[in-house]
Amino acid sequence: ILNVEQSPQSLHVQEGDSTNFTCSFPSSNFYALHWYRWETAKSPEALFVMTLNGDEKKKGRISATLNTKEGYSYLYIKGSQPEDSATYLCAFSVSGGGADGLTFGKGTHLIIQP
Amino acid sequence: GAVVSQHPSWVICKSGTSVKIECRSLDFQATTMFWYRQFPKQSLMLMATSNEGSKATYEQGVEKDKFLINHASLTLSTLTVTSAHPEDSSFYICSAINTGGTIEKLFFGSGTQLSVL
Repeated sequence: ILNVEQSPQSLHVQEGDSTNFTCSFPSSNFYALHWYRWETAKSPEALFVMTLNGDEKKKGRISATLNTKEGYSYLYIKGSQPEDSATYLCAFSVSGGGADGLTFGKGTHLIIQP
Repeated sequence: GAVVSQHPSWVICKSGTSVKIECRSLDFQATTMFWYRQFPKQSLMLMATSNEGSKATYEQGVEKDKFLINHASLTLSTLTVTSAHPEDSSFYICSAINTGGTIEKLFFGSGTQLSVL
């Protein structure tokens, strides 16, 4: 059974502060690690897909790192803004080519306080 | 970007009735669609994978006769919860892969909250 763990479960951050949270996943049979941003009543939005150990990706104020050997990924948000409030999901896949679905963590619920 | 439309957003039904949820890819053809379910405070859990024109593949523990999946065209997949019971109350969400794409090109609907009375 694949297990993806995210921590913390929820997080309150003051506007302007930077923050980060963790996703841990099985390090065997790894193919890709995905981060999604999910606002209430909307579709999950893909942020990053990372496949290589040591990968670092950045989109604006949000960045992510990947360590496949030890099975963890960090998501960083710099200078948090109210619009960053959302649930951040990470998901793990063991193969590419669209053959398998993703295994998700429970998410980190981020609330940015003005 | 690609859009996946899912309807209805929420539905309330009586125990014993059937409910159909639609998932449409609006601007691309989706060979493969995935159906997930999420119970409160739990992860999204994969229920089944559907490929256009063939039978769906169900995950262990998901009853294929209860959760009927039809993927008759490249833009539409439906999930029918047959003879729904209160324990089927959950959040259901679909995702689709652009034809010829890999798991990286995965787009989600906005989900359906099902409440069975």
